[in-house]
Amino acid sequence: DIQMTQSPASLSASLGETVSIECLASEGISNDLAWYQQKSGKSPQLLIYAASRLQDGVPSRFSGSGSGTRYSLKISGMQPEDEADYFCQQSYKYPLTFGSGTKLEIK
Amino acid sequence: EVQLVESGGGLVQPGRSLKLSCAASGFTFSNYYMAWVRQAPKKGLEWVATISTSGSRTYYPDSVKGRFTISRDNAKSSLYLQMNSLKSEDTATYYCARHASGVVTRYVMDAWGQGASVTVSS
Repeated sequence: DIQMTQSPASLSASLGETVSIECLASEGISNDLAWYQQKSGKSPQLLIYAASRLQDGVPSRFSGSGSGTRYSLKISGMQPEDEADYFCQQSYKYPLTFGSGTKLEIK
Repeated sequence: EVQLVESGGGLVQPGRSLKLSCAASGFTFSNYYMAWVRQAPKKGLEWVATISTSGSRTYYPDSVKGRFTISRDNAKSSLYLQMNSLKSEDTATYYCARHASGVVTRYVMDAWGQGASVTVSS
């Protein structure tokens, strides 16, 4: 199974700050990497797929990058509504696996 | 508007069975792979099962293989998860999710239900 190591586990940022979350796969996943946002008490929502493609309706301050085994999610200019948990997921092969999550809070 | 509505959750004793249902609307259900993903309390996401459009192919992680069965009824736009021999570690919120269409996104979930809570305890 492909292990997804996500860091940091938690993060606090000021409004307007740029933040980054990292995900490391245990083997190459050819950019088959998705990011999800989960707000408190809500279901996850797809933000980014194929490592860098923005899902329809997702604000452009979100961006994804990476290749091989290393991927990152960047939020350029933290907004109040970005306070949430974020998860990466490898979409390369079964079994589908997720990172352990990053809790992003406003400082 | 895409809607996925889970039902059937509850409290169940270890070793017993429970069946979850998911009613889909707002899209052509029969055209999409569907999945179940769970989240234990205060924990991360764990993929549980996926089923092909026709139902002929199913996929599971080792943690539930042989105990859980995913199925679908395209005529009713409904997805199911039969859970047998339940364990305390199966306690979680179970989300019904739609696999995105397209080659690049086929293993990505682009729509999620609100979740059904399952508690396994004596």
